Amino acid sequence: DAGITQSPRHKVTETGTPVTLRCHQTENHRYMYWYRQDPGHGLRLIHYSYGVKDTDKGEVSDGYSVSRSKTEDFLLTLESATSSQTSVYFCAISGGLDLFSGNTIYFGEGSWLTVV
Amino acid sequence: AQSVTQLDSQVPVFEEAPVELRCNYSSSVSVYLFWYVQYPNQGLQLLLKYLSGSTLVESINGFEAEFNKSQTSFHLRKPSVHISDTAEYFCAVRLQGAQKLVFGQGTRLTINP
Repeated sequence: DAGITQSPRHKVTETGTPVTLRCHQTENHRYMYWYRQDPGHGLRLIHYSYGVKDTDKGEVSDGYSVSRSKTEDFLLTLESATSSQTSVYFCAISGGLDLFSGNTIYFGEGSWLTVV
Repeated sequence: AQSVTQLDSQVPVFEEAPVELRCNYSSSVSVYLFWYVQYPNQGLQLLLKYLSGSTLVESINGFEAEFNKSQTSFHLRKPSVHISDTAEYFCAVRLQGAQKLVFGQGTRLTINP
C-alpha cells in the first residue's frame, strides 16, 4: 500500500463549524489531491497540489480551501461546514508524469464526514 | 474537457459467469486509462492501466481491459467471476501531460452464488 494516512477517518460535525482533514504521505511524491465521493457521481476533484505552497482548484472547490506547507502534508479545510459537504473524502498522491512510475495516482483509505 | 461514462451503475452476475463493465470516454487529446476497484469501506486500489503499447492490459486477479481508440472505450472483462470480486469499479481518464484523474460514476458489481 502507498504510504498515505488520512485523519480523522470518521467525523460528525455540526453545520457552520470549521473542519480540517489531514493527509500525510511518506512517499515524497510531488502531487497530492483531495477528492470527494458521492453516490452517482464517482469521485470528483476538489483541489490538488503540485508542490509546497502550490495548489489549484478542481471541479468542486467551492466551500473548500487547502494548504500544503510541507511535502508530506496536504490539509483540506471546510471553513463553515454544510450538509451538502457530507461525503467521503479521499486523499491521493502521485509521483508525476514519469512513465516508469506508471503515472499512477494512489489513494488513501478515506475520511467519512457527516455534517448534521 | 474530458469525461468518462460508465454505462451501467449496477451489474449483477452469478458466480463463475463472465462479466463486462463498460467504460467510454471523450477527449480530444491522447489519454491514459485506468480501472480502480473499491471494496466495501475501503479506498480505491488500482486494478489495471493503459499507458501505451499493447491495447490489451491485464491485472493479476484475472481482469483484463482493452483500449479501443476508434470507439473511445476501455471495457473491463473477466471470464469467470468469484464472490470476492464483489466491489465497485471505477474507470478513470488522465490526459497525457496532465496530473488530474477524471472518474466515471462507478459500477457496482454484485456476485450471486
